Amino acid sequence: QSALTQPASVSGSPGQSITISCTGTSSDVGGYNYVSWYQQHPGKVPKLMIYEVSNRPSGVPDRFSGSKSGNTASLTISGLQAEDEADYYCSSYTTIGTLVFGGGTKVTVL
Amino acid sequence: QVQLQESGPGLVKPSETLSLTCTVSGGPISGYYGYWIRQPAGKGLEWIGRIYTSENINYNPSVESRVTISVDTSKNQFSLRLRSVTAADTAVYYCARDDINIGASAVFWGQGTLVTVSS
Repeated sequence: QSALTQPASVSGSPGQSITISCTGTSSDVGGYNYVSWYQQHPGKVPKLMIYEVSNRPSGVPDRFSGSKSGNTASLTISGLQAEDEADYYCSSYTTIGTLVFGGGTKVTVL
Repeated sequence: QVQLQESGPGLVKPSETLSLTCTVSGGPISGYYGYWIRQPAGKGLEWIGRIYTSENINYNPSVESRVTISVDTSKNQFSLRLRSVTAADTAVYYCARDDINIGASAVFWGQGTLVTVSS
């Protein structure tokens, strides 16, 4: 299985909105509503931010939102804050019953 | 709160078998998916596999020929065995568990354990 495709980096100023894309195929992202997003600060454990495309676990700020169109999922961070600077990974369920991650996107707050 | 803890050797010789155990506390592993995920230094996350029951296991095709994941519900643990390791298997290994009504996601994570493959 091939890794999902994410941009290597995305940046924005505090208060702005940014969007991270996650492109797969009809065998993963496009075929199922099981896309998740994880946030990982340097040296820390990944944290689930979005599940099933657009749902937020309890405790995740509502400025984090997810969506999907075709084979591409997106994570939007509105009102960007300094603490949002981290690596973000998408993942998707696949047609063979596995999960696959994206390569990760480094978010920089300018 | 559910907590997970990985345990096992931090150093494995090339061609030998990497063995890790994940102990779950604060909640059961029975009825949930247990995941193994790894991350080489400076690189991204790689999904290794997941187990629901001994009959319901999924593996990443890239390691499927070398990996075995098992579960011991009596000890509230699940385990990873990766055979014939090489330097490319050097990584931080995480175990994780899903949660009810949260599909196909690693909700609770262990702290991760660094496994180095070297002679």
